[in-house]
Amino acid sequence: DAGITQSPRYKITETGRQVTLMCHQTWSHSYMFWYRQDLGHGLRLIYYSAAADITDKGEVPDGYVVSRSKTENFPLTLESATRSQTSVYFCASMAGGLREQFFGPGTRLTVL
Amino acid sequence: GENVEQHPSTLSVQEGDSAVIKCTYSDSASNYFPWYKQELGKRPQLIIDIRSNVGEKKDQRIAVTLNKTAKHFSLHITETQPEDSAVYFCAASRGNQGGKLIFGQGTELSVKP
Repeated sequence: DAGITQSPRYKITETGRQVTLMCHQTWSHSYMFWYRQDLGHGLRLIYYSAAADITDKGEVPDGYVVSRSKTENFPLTLESATRSQTSVYFCASMAGGLREQFFGPGTRLTVL
Repeated sequence: GENVEQHPSTLSVQEGDSAVIKCTYSDSASNYFPWYKQELGKRPQLIIDIRSNVGEKKDQRIAVTLNKTAKHFSLHITETQPEDSAVYFCAASRGNQGGKLIFGQGTELSVKP
């Protein structure tokens, strides 16, 4: 599991600030994903990427921006954080096709 | 788009009993159905998955069944142990959507010794 890491693990920020959550994987997996986890909602897909420079929206993309210039990195940016974006964010990667997604340890983000 | 409903939201069983968690999905084109286990404070981890060309799959004490006609699938855990206590998530995916998973809301399973 050390193959996929997230930073920071905990973050407190204020409304209106820009925040970037980092995700790095060492397996050279083609696919990467960002989810948010909120009580009562399970895991909801924010954005995903099939390869470098290819990204697509998930279920809840509003307020988030992603990029993927390198296969191993998939940063998630909250351009102007809102309280409703307080959540636990998980990054995941997958080799390809319909296979297991490997999740990172998560980032707990609090927006005051 | 796909919608996945999961029931029950909480489940409490005695050690040694069986536990069943059910999910329904809306998109008949979905063809991959994984189950993830998340222990408190940890990341989700895959425990079993099933593809639409298979009706049932077993792995030791865990089994998953799929009914494509009714669009539902279930997780069965037999001889439950306290270490099975966790939140379980079902999910559904279509092969032509880049691994995009739609998750159910989760079931908190508590196994009492």
